[in-house]
Formats: sequence, C-alpha cells, structure tokens
Amino acid sequence: DGGITQSPKYLFRKEGQNVTLSCEQNLNHDAMYWYRQDPGQGLRLIYYSQIVNDFQKGDIAEGYSVSREKKESFPLTVTSAQKNPTAFYLCASMMTSGIPSYNEQFFGPGTRLTVL
Amino acid sequence: KNEVEQSPQNLTAQEGEFITINCSYSVGISALHWLQQHPGGGIVSLFMLSSGKKKHGRLIATINIQEKHSSLHITASHPRDSAVYICAAGAQGGSEKLVFGKGTKLTVNP
Repeated sequence: DGGITQSPKYLFRKEGQNVTLSCEQNLNHDAMYWYRQDPGQGLRLIYYSQIVNDFQKGDIAEGYSVSREKKESFPLTVTSAQKNPTAFYLCASMMTSGIPSYNEQFFGPGTRLTVL
Repeated sequence: KNEVEQSPQNLTAQEGEFITINCSYSVGISALHWLQQHPGGGIVSLFMLSSGKKKHGRLIATINIQEKHSSLHITASHPRDSAVYICAAGAQGGSEKLVFGKGTKLTVNP
C-alpha cells in the first residue's frame, strides 16, 4: 500500500539527547514537510524539501536539522538546542505538479516525542 | 492575529444535526485545504479547493475567494464524525507551504 510511515509512534528521550524521527514515503512524491503540533496551536512548519539534496527552513527551524539524501526519506533530528522539544511531530509529502491547486499534502500518522 | 482563523473552537452536536465550521484567512492563497484529525493524531485530507464548492458524501466544502472565507458543512452528523477539523491555506509561490488554523474540535453525541 502507498503511504507515509513515521516511526516510532511514541518516543521518550532524556533532556540533552539528540533524537531522530523517521519519515518514509512510497508515493513517489517530490516534496516533503515536517510539522510540529502543540496543544491549542495550529501545525507549524519546521523544515521542507522540494527535491532531493535540498531543503529549506520553515517557521520554527531552530534546534532542528534534516537531510534529504533519498526521495523516499526525510528524517528530522531534534537536537539538544531545541528548548521545548516535547510535541507531536507530523511528516507530510506532496507531488508537485506545477499547478498549485492540484497539489494535495498527504500526512503520516505522527510521532509523539516526550523529553523527560 | 493568526493568518488563518477558525470558528468555533469547540462544537458539540447531537447525532443528525447539520454542522458548519468556518474558516477565514488573510493571506493570498493557491488553495484552501480542509483536514480531519482523529484522536490518535493521524491527519486525513478531506478537501482541497480554490473556488466554488466540493462535495464528498455528507461533507461539503465551499470557498468565497473575494471574502477570503471557507466553510465545511457536515449533513446528518454521526458520532464517528467526532474529530478535530483543520483549515489550512496553501500559500502562493509554488512551495505549497500551508498555514494552519488552530482547528475545531467537533463532538457528536448519539
């Protein structure tokens, strides 16, 4: 089945440790996105990538890093520099057709990260 | 002020009721998205529209570009419709970055 997978669903880490969240898609989508969701707030964009080996910062990139070595994969590292890392993280992907109104983002199931 | 505003924030309805959720945006958009998030956290795209109206089953989405306003309607609501409904504006410019509303939590009681 085509889709986006994120693993693990729940992740616990000690303060000061870096942690990498996985996002894989087999939809052959060009663009991939990482969002953070906090209670009572809308999703906020962390990083996005429109093509392999290229990515751009979103609105809240500080304390995060990404890589895009393969089209299918867009891992997110939450570094110890991120002051408040506990949150729900969502990955999304999209086929970029060149016609914006045709583009739909598909979301993964999310990873809930808790830093103790 | 958030660029995408949704109302109401919370909505409780009885099974069978007609439901409307509203979304206003202040940015120029390429498309307006309606998403559904269930308690487990996963998000499903319901509609993407740039003009007019779309219908899928009991769900209807409308958009008024001039007024920068969109509505999501649910007819004959059912307890399984209970979820958070999120409006998101697709920014102009080609990157398809989305600006999200804070969501409307809908509870449909039997």
